[in-house]
Amino acid sequence: SQQGEEDPQALSIQEGENATMNCSYKTSINNLQWYRQNSGRGLVHLILIRSNEREKHSGRLRVTLDTSKKSSSLLITASRAADTASYFCATEEGGSNYKLTFGKGTLLTVNP
Amino acid sequence: NAGVTQTPKFQVLKTGQSMTLQCAQDMNHEYMSWYRQDPGMGLRLIHYSVGAGITDQGEVPNGYNVSRSTTEDFPLRLLSAAPSQTSVYFCASSDPGTGIKETQYFGPGTRLLVL
Repeated sequence: SQQGEEDPQALSIQEGENATMNCSYKTSINNLQWYRQNSGRGLVHLILIRSNEREKHSGRLRVTLDTSKKSSSLLITASRAADTASYFCATEEGGSNYKLTFGKGTLLTVNP
Repeated sequence: NAGVTQTPKFQVLKTGQSMTLQCAQDMNHEYMSWYRQDPGMGLRLIHYSVGAGITDQGEVPNGYNVSRSTTEDFPLRLLSAAPSQTSVYFCASSDPGTGIKETQYFGPGTRLLVL
């Protein structure tokens, strides 16, 4: 069953704008990760946030985690056309031995 | 490093045929896994392995077999292909012994069409 659910399913913005994607999950987790997938390609790891962390930054990416609400958000600042891709959240459940459960993804389109 | 490689890139099968999807990694990662990606479903875990000689089932294992005789290779076998197995298959690996151990590295995928 799907653990993470991303929202929105699709997002279209202009270059330079910020993009925010949300992920909700159901059970307790060890960590939550965000991956990017360009059309027809494999997934690329973006950022990982552990269950005892609330916020992490990596370049133009900012991830927050609220374990009380079982939700996370990914913010991409000053978006570029090259950011156009699908973004997936993935959760590692407690005691799962590194197994990841992926959401269905958010398709982000950044228009030049 | 080539990272995670998968062959073939694309395959067409007839119902009932069998085949093996190959996956190899040159990063000496202990953990490897297979996912399938269907439209609107995200990625679902088929089988995974935490080391040579050790495999376990994921969320959707039926119709697939795996083995892990070496650290580098983790082939996925379709025993008798069905149209429901039409999908894009991704192999991934991670190394629990280093750095951010939970990060998975993905191959480019194999697109499978079963007629």
